[in-house]
Amino acid sequence: ETGVTQTPRHLVMGMTNKKSLKCEQHLGHNAMYWYKQSAKKPLELMFVYNFKEQTENNSVPSRFSPECPNSSHLFLHLHTLQPEDSALYLCASSQETSGSYEQYFGPGTRLTVT
Amino acid sequence: GQNIDQPTEMTATEGAIVQINCTYQTSGFNGLFWYQQHAGEAPTFLSYNVLDGLEEKGRFSSFLSRSKGYSYLLLKELQMKDSASYLCAVLDSNYQLIWGAGTKLIIKP
Repeated sequence: ETGVTQTPRHLVMGMTNKKSLKCEQHLGHNAMYWYKQSAKKPLELMFVYNFKEQTENNSVPSRFSPECPNSSHLFLHLHTLQPEDSALYLCASSQETSGSYEQYFGPGTRLTVT
Repeated sequence: GQNIDQPTEMTATEGAIVQINCTYQTSGFNGLFWYQQHAGEAPTFLSYNVLDGLEEKGRFSSFLSRSKGYSYLLLKELQMKDSASYLCAVLDSNYQLIWGAGTKLIIKP
């Protein structure tokens, strides 16, 4: 397994469900990110973890809860979502200590909230 | 506020040349990225510019003018596989990426 992987690739959930998205990076990077991508809108940065510590939380509703148990894994726990939360959720990683800010993305989870 | 502008959609012909523009207004500047994203796939890195001028990489080139807050991505000898969205992103003073909404490029035979 190489690069950044995400599971599941597709998820349909009701507003009362609880689910989790998983991201794993095999690149040895020290920073991981969650983004939300909606049609015809810019990527919205949700959370940033650097060396497992959360460094950014861009005013994301509490129904989204991130977890970073180690520098290779990142989760996004979802509960009581709203239909407007339907979007593509992208995970990315980077090695910022190298002076490179290039981010490597996973294929995303297409989330539909019904 | 911070703002990245790029056209929503462009159409070009196979074998031709297309230029995708990006203008930005950000709090600080530490470089500009271009990414390619095919439908249903992950964005992939194309180029990074931090100094003014043109960077060429095969059929793709990227240009930056920091004084004008302007960049473009130039795609030559277009192929059908170049049909994708092209995302412009600026690294701001906090080293956070600020993203444009992307330009959907449609290639016609």
